[in-house]
Amino acid sequence: KQEVTQIPAALSVPEGENLVLNCSFTDSAIYNLQWFRQDPGKGLTSLLLIQSSQREQTSGRLNASLDKSSGRSTLYIAASQPGDSATYLCAVDNTDKLIFGTGTRLQVFP
Amino acid sequence: GAGVSQTPSNKVTEKGKYVELRCDPISGHTALYWYRQSLGQGPEFLIYFQGTGAADDSGLPNDRFFAVRPEGSVSTLKIQRTERGDSAVYLCASSLGEGLTTDTQYFGPGTRLTVL
Repeated sequence: KQEVTQIPAALSVPEGENLVLNCSFTDSAIYNLQWFRQDPGKGLTSLLLIQSSQREQTSGRLNASLDKSSGRSTLYIAASQPGDSATYLCAVDNTDKLIFGTGTRLQVFP
Repeated sequence: GAGVSQTPSNKVTEKGKYVELRCDPISGHTALYWYRQSLGQGPEFLIYFQGTGAADDSGLPNDRFFAVRPEGSVSTLKIQRTERGDSAVYLCASSLGEGLTTDTQYFGPGTRLTVL
């Protein structure tokens, strides 16, 4: 059974810092891995999707890497801003459904 | 509309009542998913439709939960004899459903269900 774990559960940093959020999964037979952002009381916004054959994806200040063999992904946020404050969720897709981690709650203060 | 919409945004009901939650997917998306998110947790899969049929309903917790998508577009999640433990945010997502590794799921804002 696929299990997804995210570390840390919460993170509070000053503006401008570079951040790394970690995601690990137990079954490497995945179609893809996605990183989502969730603001309080809101739905999920897809940030990056990494196909199983890819090693990384970049979008603006965000970079996500995937190491399928070790069951790990990292989300790197460069030059963090207060507007980045949200919960970040990692999800793996291995049977046409997403299996989510519990998320990392990020607070970036000015 | 441009995105996935869900109605109502909030639903408060009493224990034992019946509720229906509606999802309008992105036009042209053949795949539709329901998830449930409890406080402080990630979303948990409930059911997945490909067209009108339920391709995977393994996440439905028990037979009080049922979902339909009769015309392959709008879906309704139905919960009978609600219990306090059913309180959660119910999220709907849709995707192109082409079975590609690039198939991104797009989520609606969710329905917050509170069972008193």
